[in-house]
Amino acid sequence: QSVLTQPPSASGTPGQRVTISCSGSSSNIGSNFVNWYQQLPGTAPKLLIYSNNQRPSGVPDRFSGSKSGTSASLAISGLQSEDEADYYCAAWDDSLNGVVFGGGTKLTVL
Amino acid sequence: QLQLQESGPGLVKPSETLSLTCTVSGGSISSSTYYWGWIRQPPGKGLEWIGTIYYSVSTYYNPSLKSRVTISVDTSKNQFSLKLSSVAAADTAVYYCARLMATISLSYFDYWGQGTLVTVSS
Repeated sequence: QSVLTQPPSASGTPGQRVTISCSGSSSNIGSNFVNWYQQLPGTAPKLLIYSNNQRPSGVPDRFSGSKSGTSASLAISGLQSEDEADYYCAAWDDSLNGVVFGGGTKLTVL
Repeated sequence: QLQLQESGPGLVKPSETLSLTCTVSGGSISSSTYYWGWIRQPPGKGLEWIGTIYYSVSTYYNPSLKSRVTISVDTSKNQFSLKLSSVAAADTAVYYCARLMATISLSYFDYWGQGTLVTVSS
């Protein structure tokens, strides 16, 4: 069981806006920044959002992140077929003194 | 452009030690800005952080694996390595090496290797 909790699946149609939630605790999301990774089928994870809401160079502004208290969210607007992937949230955990991941959310574009 | 490449045996027998190496190119592993880490992903499952090393000085391990894990750095070869002892079938996974950007309250893996599948089987 993962330390951070995500819904196992999410879906949307092209052009829609979808959000993926990530719930943690005071020792991880509550006191540290949240990051999001996108894993396309058969590939390594790719950094999508860091520091709660920052996009690395090359990541479209359709992707946005937010955090409130011990929860975080990833929003994808203008959904495209190529967004179909697994999405993972992650944060440093002060109690474990290490990185914790969410269990991942499989996004399906209908 | 920074690149990371995992290498090592794809098949390990139960109770033996899994050994992997990550070769870093396009940047120095000795940089004071970054940490280096290992993450694994069992088939069809999510990501699990294994451990992280900084400058051969500090290591941080997942408590669930700590008794079996050793991560080390070879600055002369610009490589870092993972050893996981007493492996079992549950250790079968794709193993990724990655660079970790870490400051107070902020840590994220910004560059990843392509991953290597390690199967534990007799």
